Amino acid sequence: DTEVTQTPKHLVMGMTNKKSLKCEQHMGHRAMYWYKQKAKKPPELMFVYSYEKLSINESVPSRFSPECPNSSLLNLHLHALQPEDSALYLCASSLSQGNTIYFGEGSWLTVV
Amino acid sequence: GENVEQHPSTLSVQEGDSAVIKCTYSDSASNYFPWYKQELGKRPQLIIDIRSNVGEKKDQRIAVTLNKTAKHFSLHITETQPEDSAVYFCAASIQDTGRRALTFGSGTRLQVQP
Repeated sequence: DTEVTQTPKHLVMGMTNKKSLKCEQHMGHRAMYWYKQKAKKPPELMFVYSYEKLSINESVPSRFSPECPNSSLLNLHLHALQPEDSALYLCASSLSQGNTIYFGEGSWLTVV
Repeated sequence: GENVEQHPSTLSVQEGDSAVIKCTYSDSASNYFPWYKQELGKRPQLIIDIRSNVGEKKDQRIAVTLNKTAKHFSLHITETQPEDSAVYFCAASIQDTGRRALTFGSGTRLQVQP
């Protein structure tokens, strides 16, 4: 089973709202990722958690706040976003950092 | 860090023809090279990968070749079918060290004309 589950699938939020994206995997993977993907572009790495510790933060603005409550869960807290943050947000996991990553179906975020 | 360049950005072939997509990488320490296929509105899905101790790998109509000396790797799709139409991304990483995550190429939009 190579399933990474993301919720919600679609989210529309205002610039003053606070919302969260959630991700779950039960494959025993110890690395989890958040990627952002704009239309016609490759996935762009935002954060990596390895063994529940933040391993990589690709200079992401503080309006995006990741959280890894346990080895199976990964959240992305959103606050005071801008319209240009509208994108597909992909969660992914891998056995360990640098190995094959498996993507979730993504959360389509629209900031209005 | 790693830099992965991918060519061409778009590729149109007739059904039944072969398609080749090429990538180069900059970090000689990279040792893992997966390829992902992304259909419109869907997630990227792994289709094949290769590790640096292997020069070629095949899976039915798909093959990947790796030239470590030249630091490039290629995806070959034979007997293309309309369902092969998608965006393909190459990627590179250093496996199992925790030093970095996958670095993706810019993508190739493949269109297979029936």
